[in-house]
Amino acid sequence: NAGVTQTPKFQVLKTGQSMTLQCAQDMNHEYMSWYRQDPGMGLRLIHYSVGAGITDQGEVPNGYNVSRSTTEDFPLRLLSAAPSQTSVYFCASIPRSGRAEAFFGQGTRLTVV
Amino acid sequence: GIQVEQSPPDLILQEGANSTLRCNFSDSVNNLQWFHQNPWGQLINLFYIPSGTKQNGRLSATTVATERYSLLYISSSQTTDSGVYFCAALNSGGSNYKLTFGKGTLLTVNP
Repeated sequence: NAGVTQTPKFQVLKTGQSMTLQCAQDMNHEYMSWYRQDPGMGLRLIHYSVGAGITDQGEVPNGYNVSRSTTEDFPLRLLSAAPSQTSVYFCASIPRSGRAEAFFGQGTRLTVV
Repeated sequence: GIQVEQSPPDLILQEGANSTLRCNFSDSVNNLQWFHQNPWGQLINLFYIPSGTKQNGRLSATTVATERYSLLYISSSQTTDSGVYFCAALNSGGSNYKLTFGKGTLLTVNP
């Protein structure tokens, strides 16, 4: 049972490049989400999904796209990276009831130069 | 949405001291968790505690849901306890599954 798996762990991008951060969970959780962590800001919600085919915006969605074609996977896409997107990204999953523990991936440290 | 506030923002202890971290939240919750972010950036689940009291070794947590706060107790602190402690809450009701984080408490335990 791997829990929540994020890849890659580290990435350096040039301004304007695109990339996809991968997130997969094997706990059959309906709810998945992406957060970014910046110094002094805690974790802020980017996008979330309550099930396959359903996504919605969080607190800081601009510059990011998501899709949810399966229960297991929730990729985060940066279409044109900007230096302001330099951050640490975390993926999380929770059972649909919300009345249970959330599990987080190990994080992706992204630097945009 | 729900607001989550943590205090203190920073805390410096000598090894062996005890401490209490506080988390206030603005609405009823059905998920309240404490996390420890270690120096390598990993988020470690400490407690899932929407109400009541739990203990795990030197750490314990209490949530008083009716008064909208949670406390994390660290006893006999060790240098390995250093890092950032986050509280996160998920609001009850509807289809709102947004887990909201506080800004964290940075704990430094000196030898």
